[in-house]
Amino acid sequence: AQTVTQSQPEMSVQEAETVTLSCTYDTSENNYYLFWYKQPPSRQMILVIRQEAYKQQNATENRFSVNFQKAAKSFSLKISDSQLGDTAMYFCALRQNQAGTALIFGKGTTLSVSS
Amino acid sequence: DTGVSQNPRHKITKRGQNVTFRCDPISEHNRLYWYRQTLGQGPEFLTYFQNEAQLEKSRLLSDRFSAERPKGSFSTLEIQRTEQGDSAMYLCASSSPMGTEDTQYFGPGTRLTVL
Repeated sequence: AQTVTQSQPEMSVQEAETVTLSCTYDTSENNYYLFWYKQPPSRQMILVIRQEAYKQQNATENRFSVNFQKAAKSFSLKISDSQLGDTAMYFCALRQNQAGTALIFGKGTTLSVSS
Repeated sequence: DTGVSQNPRHKITKRGQNVTFRCDPISEHNRLYWYRQTLGQGPEFLTYFQNEAQLEKSRLLSDRFSAERPKGSFSTLEIQRTEQGDSAMYLCASSSPMGTEDTQYFGPGTRLTVL
């Protein structure tokens, strides 16, 4: 069975600071995808960043980057220069490398950015 | 390019009533997914369509739930004889037929409240 664990239910950060959200997962597959999704309050879920397990290079999207440690099955998200608009629930998700398979989500981390 | 849309956005019903939700995926996407998200939790997979074929169903999808995608475009999710435990956000996602990248894009969800 595949599982995703986010051990930080809530986090807070000041504007312009850097914050790291943790995620660990378990899978018996060797090839898979990992995702971070953002769900702002009362708004729809949007993709933040995606990582293919076979790629050693960590994915980066502007202020968002990941630290992917395949052996440790760890996939943390770093948000640099935090902005008020980053306030949201963040979900880590795992999917097998096979089209049409379901995403397995963690329970999420609520991030609050304050001025 | 319009995103995934869902209707209605909110539905309040009495226990025992039937409800139906609609999802319109991104136009060129042939894969469509339904998830359920309860308060404070990550989304959980319900079912998956490729074109009009329902290819996978979670054990969460009890006999009271049925989903269709009759022409391979929009999809409906019906819940019969609703129970209070059905109260949740029902999310729809769609993905492109291009390769295994298969990134899922989510709609805004339908929030169901069963009284």
